[in-house]
Amino acid sequence: ILNVEQSPQSLHVQEGDSTNFTCSFPSSNFYALHWYRWETAKSPEALFVMTLNGDEKKKGRISATLNTKEGYSYLYIKGSQPEDSATYLCAFGGGADGLTFGKGTHLIIQP
Amino acid sequence: DAGVTQSPTHLIKTRGQQVTLRCSPKSGHDTVSWYQQALGQGPQFIFQYYEEEERQRGNFPDRFSGHQFPNYSSELNVNALLLGDSALYLCASSLPQGFGNTIYFGEGSWLTVV
Repeated sequence: ILNVEQSPQSLHVQEGDSTNFTCSFPSSNFYALHWYRWETAKSPEALFVMTLNGDEKKKGRISATLNTKEGYSYLYIKGSQPEDSATYLCAFGGGADGLTFGKGTHLIIQP
Repeated sequence: DAGVTQSPTHLIKTRGQQVTLRCSPKSGHDTVSWYQQALGQGPQFIFQYYEEEERQRGNFPDRFSGHQFPNYSSELNVNALLLGDSALYLCASSLPQGFGNTIYFGEGSWLTVV
């Protein structure tokens, strides 16, 4: 059974501050690591798909890194804005076996 | 370009009943997966359909079944509903299994079993 862990479970950040959180996944038989941003009552929004060890991806103020050898990925948000408030999910896999998700990090940006 | 669309948005069923949820994949996508998200958990993989066949199934009983139509749309059927089946059901679509393909999700169908 694959285990994907995310930490912290929730996070309060002051507007303008930068923040980061972690996703841990099995380091063997790596396929791909997906990051999603999920706002209430909306569909999960795909942020990144990461496949190579050492990958770094960026989308505006959000970036992510990947270490497949030790089994972790970091998501960074620079200069947090209220619209960044959401649950951030990471998921391992993506082939025919589907995605294995963590429980998410619930981010609240305080004005 | 419409994304992944699901229907209905919300529904309430009684224990023992059956339910059908529907999904239209993103344009150009032919692979559809279904996930169940219970409260406080991440989404759990139910099964995946490609070329109208079930490719893989997660740890869900046979009460959960599905179908994919020639136009790639899909249905999730749940028989003999239990209270524990109350959850958000998400549909996801992608191109066929490919290294690093983005997987797109719909907004989900909220099922309440009473």
